[in-house]
Amino acid sequence: DQQVKQNSPSLSVQEGRISILNCDYTNSMFDYFLWYKKYPAEGPTFLISISSIKDKNEDGRFTVFLNKSAKHLSLHIVPSQPGDSAVYFCAASGTGANNLFFGTGTRLTVIP
Amino acid sequence: EAQVTQNPRYLITVTGKKLTVTCSQNMNHEYMSWYRQDPGLGLRQIYYSMNVEVTDKGDVPEGYKVSRKEKRNFPLILESPSPNQTSLYFCASSRVGGLSGNTIYFGEGSWLTVV
Repeated sequence: DQQVKQNSPSLSVQEGRISILNCDYTNSMFDYFLWYKKYPAEGPTFLISISSIKDKNEDGRFTVFLNKSAKHLSLHIVPSQPGDSAVYFCAASGTGANNLFFGTGTRLTVIP
Repeated sequence: EAQVTQNPRYLITVTGKKLTVTCSQNMNHEYMSWYRQDPGLGLRQIYYSMNVEVTDKGDVPEGYKVSRKEKRNFPLILESPSPNQTSLYFCASSRVGGLSGNTIYFGEGSWLTVV
């Protein structure tokens, strides 16, 4: 059973606009959440993370929001750039855990 | 440069022919792990290792073996590959202490096709 879900397999956004990628999780023991970005023929690269003690974390153009009561997190990219076109994976982990649980990914296309 | 290196990057093999995918990291990380990525399923953990000579099963360990004789290396062994092991494989490493708060670094991936 998929504990981390990304229900949108793809998203297209115009350059300069906001991209919003969504992720839902089912396990209330998860307390650390990450976003990874993946280009074709490359491994996933870490983008941004958030601990469950926070509801927002910002790093430049990237902001992750966490809504614990809804078990939902989102990644906002503002402004979106063509180089942001990639597959984005949401991942979650619990304290002391030795595994990251990944979503199925959302392919973002930023149109110039 | 911090790196996780996997080899081979691409391999086509036949059912039953043993193969090994090597993984090496240069960050002195204690934790290493193997994942496979399949369409519609995201990345799923196969095996992980918390340190030398310490390995444990992940979510989908069937058909795989691993070993951790040295800190930097964590090879993935398919003793008798089958077509359902056709997948994209990623090796990853991290500092020890659980994954909360630590960044996992991934290799570039190994495309494996079993015919």
